[in-house]
Amino acid sequence: QVQLQDSGPGLVKPSETLSLTCTVSGGSITSGSFYWTWIRQPPGKGLEWIGYISYSGSTDYNPSLKSRVTISVDTSKNQFTLKLSSVTAADTAVYFCARDSPVRRYYYGMDVWGQGTTVTVSS
Amino acid sequence: DIQMTQSPSFVSASVGDRVIITCRASQGISTWLAWYQQRPGKAPKLLIYSASSLQSVVSSRFSGSGSGTDFTLTISNLQPEDFATYFCQQANSFPRTFGQGTKVEIK
Repeated sequence: QVQLQDSGPGLVKPSETLSLTCTVSGGSITSGSFYWTWIRQPPGKGLEWIGYISYSGSTDYNPSLKSRVTISVDTSKNQFTLKLSSVTAADTAVYFCARDSPVRRYYYGMDVWGQGTTVTVSS
Repeated sequence: DIQMTQSPSFVSASVGDRVIITCRASQGISTWLAWYQQRPGKAPKLLIYSASSLQSVVSSRFSGSGSGTDFTLTISNLQPEDFATYFCQQANSFPRTFGQGTKVEIK
């Protein structure tokens, strides 16, 4: 059974780069055609899709964040990483990693999630 | 981006009630829709995929329907563990987008 574990600093200073890692266990990040995804949730608010990377390295990002986001994959460590640059207080949120499915005959949804990492942007 | 609008934003209900949550997409998304439950301090949990298919190990009290632009999530015989926030999410195109959420609280 695939599990995701997200990790990283809980406090980031304004203008610096937020960096989070999601470790995949119970399966290989290269198996299947999944989208390895980052999503965030500001305090008391809804869910915002940040972007994804496939095992082959193809990416897509939310246009609202595209200029500041990089998602990369390390298949040797079975991990994928989020970097968000030039952060401000508006980037304070719980950050989740998740496994998303491609749309083919069915859409199987985001079926596996990490537990979430709370990131606060403050000096 | 495709906008997803849920209603109501908040519902107060009692154990044993039936609750219906609706989700409307700003353009047609076929059946490329999922529903999630989120309890406080936890990650979202997938309930329904492809608009109407029940995720494994999810209670059959949950059901989904709809296609195109209008979708519903029905919770039958509401149980204490069902009091949570529910989100819809479209997968017709990127960026993936979510509804704003519906909080189900105990009356």
